[in-house]
Order: sequence, then structure tokens, then C-alpha cells
Amino acid sequence: AQKITQTQPGMFVQEKEAVTLDCTYDTSDPSYGLFWYKQPSSGEMIFLIYQGSYDQQNATEGRYSLNFQKARKSANLVISASQLGDSAMYFCAMREGQGAGGTSYGKLTFGQGTILTVHP
Amino acid sequence: GAVVSQHPSWVICKSGTSVKIECRSLDFQATTMFWYRQFPKQSLMLMATSNEGSKATYEQGVEKDKFLINHASLTLSTLTVTSAHPEDSSFYICSARHLTNEKLFFGSGTQLSVL
Repeated sequence: AQKITQTQPGMFVQEKEAVTLDCTYDTSDPSYGLFWYKQPSSGEMIFLIYQGSYDQQNATEGRYSLNFQKARKSANLVISASQLGDSAMYFCAMREGQGAGGTSYGKLTFGQGTILTVHP
Repeated sequence: GAVVSQHPSWVICKSGTSVKIECRSLDFQATTMFWYRQFPKQSLMLMATSNEGSKATYEQGVEKDKFLINHASLTLSTLTVTSAHPEDSSFYICSARHLTNEKLFFGSGTQLSVL
């Protein structure tokens, strides 16, 4: 069975500093995908970054990077140069299998989420 | 980018009534849509997988007669909460899987409050 764990209920960071949000996962499927989403207070789910289990390099998208350590089954999100607008709930998610498109396929299992607060 | 419209964004209803929530992919086709439920400051829990032209697949513990899902076209899935009760109050959010590139796009969610 899949399991996603985010152990940090809340994190605080100073504006312009970097912050790491932790995510560990558990699956017996050799093919899987890992996602990070941002959910502001409005409720929408904003896709941030994706890492496929067979990807050789860590994913990066602008200020977001994913520290993928396959042996440890961790997929931590690193946000560089935090901005006030980064304050939100962040979810790590995993899906089974890897579709042809790679970035999204199938249903997602979400972690508990981490509330990030960026201080000025 | 691809847009998923979810309507209504919030709804208040009386206990015992039914509420329909629509999830519509505006500029792409989606054979599969997913319905999630989220309690305040908690995770998203998958309720069901909706496939166009076939019956929805419900997750364990989700009452299919309580949460009716219809996916009649490649751009529209609906979730109907039947005989709603206060414990059904929650945030419901859908996602649609793009038919060709398989990317997932989320709706903006529906806050349901049952009085």
C-alpha cells in the first residue's frame, strides 16, 4: 500500500531565505511519480513540481527543486528565496505507475500537508 | 494552460437535501476525473475515480449511494451528495486527467456546508 508522510505540520521561514519541506513515501511499485502542490487559503491546488521514479536528475522548476533520494524514499521540496506569497499549505503526493506523459497519471495519494508561513 | 472549472465554489444547504457539484474541463477532454474530499487543514482523500461512459470506482469506505458520480461526457463529471447531513460538510475538489498528455488539472474546489 502507498503511504506518503509529511512530518512537519508547520514551518516558518524568513523572507528571502530557503526552506525545505520534508516528504517520505512508501511503495512497492518500482514505477511511481511524486508531486508537490501548493494550496493557498482559496483552496485551489497549484502544481509545483514532479519527479518520476526513473528520472536520473532531481527536478527543478524556478525557485522550486526536489531533493529526490530514492534509496531513502524521500522527496523533499526546497523553496529558495522565499516570498510572502509562498505562505500556504504544501502537499506531497504520489501516484502509481508512470504514464506516457510522465508528469501526471492516475489517482494521487496525498501527505498530511505542511503549513508554510513566510515572515517579512 | 488547461482549465478545470468546478461549480459551485461554495454551497449551503439544509440537511436532507441533495447537492450537485460539477467538474468541467474547459479546453481539453478528460476520460478520467477524480473526486477528493478535504477537511479543514487536513489532507485530500480520494473518494472515487470517474470514467467517462462507465461506472465510477469508489474508494473503500465511501458510500456510492450517498455520493453519486456521473461522467456522461469527456468534459463533465458531476458529484451529487444525496440526503446531505452536517457530517458531509467539507471541501470537495476534482481533478481531470488530460486525454492526450495525461497531465492532471485540479478544479478550484467546492465548500459544502450542510445546516
